[in-house]
Amino acid sequence: GQNIDQPTEMTATEGAIVQINCTYQTSGFNGLFWYQQHAGEAPTFLSYNVLDGLEEKGRFSSFLSRSKGYSYLLLKELQMKDSASYLCAVRDNNQGGKLIFGQGTELSVKP
Amino acid sequence: GAVVSQHPSRVICKSGTSVKIECRSLDFQATTMFWYRQFPKQSLMLMATSNEGSKATYEQGVEKDKFLINHASLTLSTLTVTSAHPEDSSFYICSARDLKGVSYEQYFGPGTRLTVT
Repeated sequence: GQNIDQPTEMTATEGAIVQINCTYQTSGFNGLFWYQQHAGEAPTFLSYNVLDGLEEKGRFSSFLSRSKGYSYLLLKELQMKDSASYLCAVRDNNQGGKLIFGQGTELSVKP
Repeated sequence: GAVVSQHPSRVICKSGTSVKIECRSLDFQATTMFWYRQFPKQSLMLMATSNEGSKATYEQGVEKDKFLINHASLTLSTLTVTSAHPEDSSFYICSARDLKGVSYEQYFGPGTRLTVT
């Protein structure tokens, strides 16, 4: 089976940096995804990691360590609009390549 | 980028009736579509995977006779919630993979808010 863990809630200050961690256990790992979801809306794609290392995309970066089953999403220069839920998802090839989602981290950005 | 639409965006129905939700890939062909359900403050739970022209694969615990999925073409999948009950009230989201695109990305529809009274 698979198990994906991430913190339930986080709070950060506008302009600051926040790191959201995700740990996973899966037998057929084939990529880790981060999505942003605002309340009542569908998730939007942020990043994808399949090899170890850091992927940077503007204010957002994502890191992966396959040996540790660990990833993080780094958000820099936080803005109020970054308040949202951030979902970590793992693709499992042993389950037909479907995405398995973590419970999501609710990020609140305060002025 | 690729666009996935869902219709309706919101629906309210009475207990015991059936509701159909449509999911369309607007500018690409999708061999595989996924249906998720999301309860408040919770993450997305995969209900089923549908492949064009074949029967859907349901996740454990999802009743296939209650949640009917039809993937009749490469651009359309439908989810019908039959004999809906208040506990079926949820946010239903579909997702599609692009047949010709980069294999890793799934595109999500805007979701359908179902309320059963």
